[in-house]
Amino acid sequence: AQSVSQHNHHVILSEAASLELGCNYSYGGTVNLFWYVQYPGQHLQLLLKYFSGDPLVKGIKGFEAEFIKSKFSFNLRKPSVQWSDTAEYFCAVNAGQNFVFGPGTRLSVLP
Amino acid sequence: EAEVAQSPRYKITEKSQAVAFWCDPISGHATLYWYRQILGQGPELLVQFQDESVVDDSQLPKDRFSAERLKGVDSTLKIQPAELGDSAMYLCASSLGASGGSTDTQYFGPGTRLTVL
Repeated sequence: AQSVSQHNHHVILSEAASLELGCNYSYGGTVNLFWYVQYPGQHLQLLLKYFSGDPLVKGIKGFEAEFIKSKFSFNLRKPSVQWSDTAEYFCAVNAGQNFVFGPGTRLSVLP
Repeated sequence: EAEVAQSPRYKITEKSQAVAFWCDPISGHATLYWYRQILGQGPELLVQFQDESVVDDSQLPKDRFSAERLKGVDSTLKIQPAELGDSAMYLCASSLGASGGSTDTQYFGPGTRLTVL
């Protein structure tokens, strides 16, 4: 069965630090990849998505992600985090009709 | 900006009672999803509709859960009877998906937080 794993359960960073959140999936066919964010008290919002083309995709709020097909990975990055980036981040994979979320990574940014 | 609407936002019930959640997707979105999110975990798909038809309900506990989207617009998710383990956030999402395809982007509502006592 298709599955999505996220490497870290909780990441704590200071402001201005660089961020990389890992995401790996298990599916051998064509996939479409997403990162969603859930700020405290708010609903899930799309950060960025990859369907095809350039494997480096840019999203909102300075986030980007790189699709590495050979590693079945879609890691999320941001060069300099802000306190306002404190949130839960979910990687999701859509293959055919199946849409599967990872367990999430909680990011805490210290001011 | 159009949003997915859900009600109620919070629901507290006793076990063995019936509960119902309502979702109104973004206008024009053909595909509607119900997810359950247990605290500390990612959302888990319960049921997916394409217009009024169920596309996927393989993870829906059908002995107690039911979902309908009679006119292909808004949808209701029901639990009867509720059990303690049903305490979770119930999320609704919608996407344009004329075919419910894999390139669809899902837009989520605020969710209904259910507490079963």
